[in-house]
Amino acid sequence: SQQGEEDPQALSIQEGENATMNCSYKTSINNLQWYRQNSGRGLVHLILIRSNEREKHSGRLRVTLDTSKKSSSLLITASRAADTASYFCAGLIQGAQKLVFGQGTRLTINP
Amino acid sequence: SQTIHQWPATLVQPVGSPLSLECTVEGTSNPNLYWYRQAAGRGLQLLFYSVGIGQISSEVPQNLSASRPQDRQFILSSKKLLLSDSGFYLCAWSPTGRGVVPQYFGPGTRLLVL
Repeated sequence: SQQGEEDPQALSIQEGENATMNCSYKTSINNLQWYRQNSGRGLVHLILIRSNEREKHSGRLRVTLDTSKKSSSLLITASRAADTASYFCAGLIQGAQKLVFGQGTRLTINP
Repeated sequence: SQTIHQWPATLVQPVGSPLSLECTVEGTSNPNLYWYRQAAGRGLQLLFYSVGIGQISSEVPQNLSASRPQDRQFILSSKKLLLSDSGFYLCAWSPTGRGVVPQYFGPGTRLLVL
């Protein structure tokens, strides 16, 4: 399967703490994207990191990419209750206009 | 600005009945279009994608089909639904001609086959 894998599958932390989610993939990618999904809703794009980048920041989000290990991480700093959602990584396969998604991490922020 | 619409939001269908889910995009031309299915608590599985009118690529062999009759319209169909077709169906689009871009998702259709 080309699908990525994410860990942990579920993460529960206290508000204000940092949340780290990891993603591993199998195929060569042009870029890696992270999405957020609130329960029963569509996905919202959060951040995109290109294959030649190692780290990227956007507000409270920090993404790293290690193409040698085929892995990425998403860090959410100073978490808020509103960050509660499922987070998915997705790699854009080289030579194709299609994404391969991981299974997602369910993040719960406890107030 | 661009928007993507999906309908219906929820659908309950008997086994063996036909299916038609519609997705339309506004505010852009010649988008790449995608249909995904998401099982409960799982990631997304790409079903079909299209880079232009009448151009459909199928990712998973099954009893579903897709069509793109107009530039910004993408339809997911089935002649006879199976119980295993239940799930959350998401349509998405991305700009054409630019590989390093995000995909933008619709609100989804929850399908329950009984």
